[in-house]
Amino acid sequence: AQKVTQAQTEISVVEKEDVTLDCVYETRDTTYYLFWYKQPPSGELVFLIRRNSFDEQNEISGRYSWNFQKSTSSFNFTITASQVVDSAVYFCALSEARQGSYIPTFGRGTSLIVHP
Amino acid sequence: NAGVTQTPKFQVLKTGQSMTLQCAQDMNHNSMYWYRQDPGMGLRLIYYSASEGTTDKGEVPNGYNVSRLNKREFSLRLESAAPSQTSVYFCASSKGGGSSIGYEQYFGPGTRLTVT
Repeated sequence: AQKVTQAQTEISVVEKEDVTLDCVYETRDTTYYLFWYKQPPSGELVFLIRRNSFDEQNEISGRYSWNFQKSTSSFNFTITASQVVDSAVYFCALSEARQGSYIPTFGRGTSLIVHP
Repeated sequence: NAGVTQTPKFQVLKTGQSMTLQCAQDMNHNSMYWYRQDPGMGLRLIYYSASEGTTDKGEVPNGYNVSRLNKREFSLRLESAAPSQTSVYFCASSKGGGSSIGYEQYFGPGTRLTVT
């Protein structure tokens, strides 16, 4: 079973639509970290956000917002008023402690295509 | 401040050849990682080094070796390349180092490796 499930392989939207990328994780730890990364067509991965398991506050950064719900083990990412530049593969990751260090596990990614 | 650099950017090998992928970071990070990215599989951890002087296997270590040369540099070696190792390889670093915090990772631009 995957520790991080991104069930949406590909999402296609038209510019200005809102879009939500789902992330469901699985862990037995009480302390863990969740991340979102963006991989644009250029290929380099860019860090977007980090959340620890004790902080369930939602976060908004410009057109981006994140909804963390421990009750459903989900950490979803919403882009409001999508733009063509948002086209990318987005990865969700879970970091759990292993032998004293936090080691991340990535989901398989969701490819977002924003059409003009 | 270059962040994480990787060399080479592209490489073609014949089956059975060996090569070393180089990675360096200038952010004074403790932890470094090697991933491979294959279509539909997300990022899979090959090896990591939580701190200088230590290395550990990740999810897919077979066929690879690593060396943490110093705090800045972490190399990945393929001793006898196989077509199944055709992939894009990413190096990453994070503050990490046995900390009680799961820090985000910063990625290099990737190496596209083809084994024929």
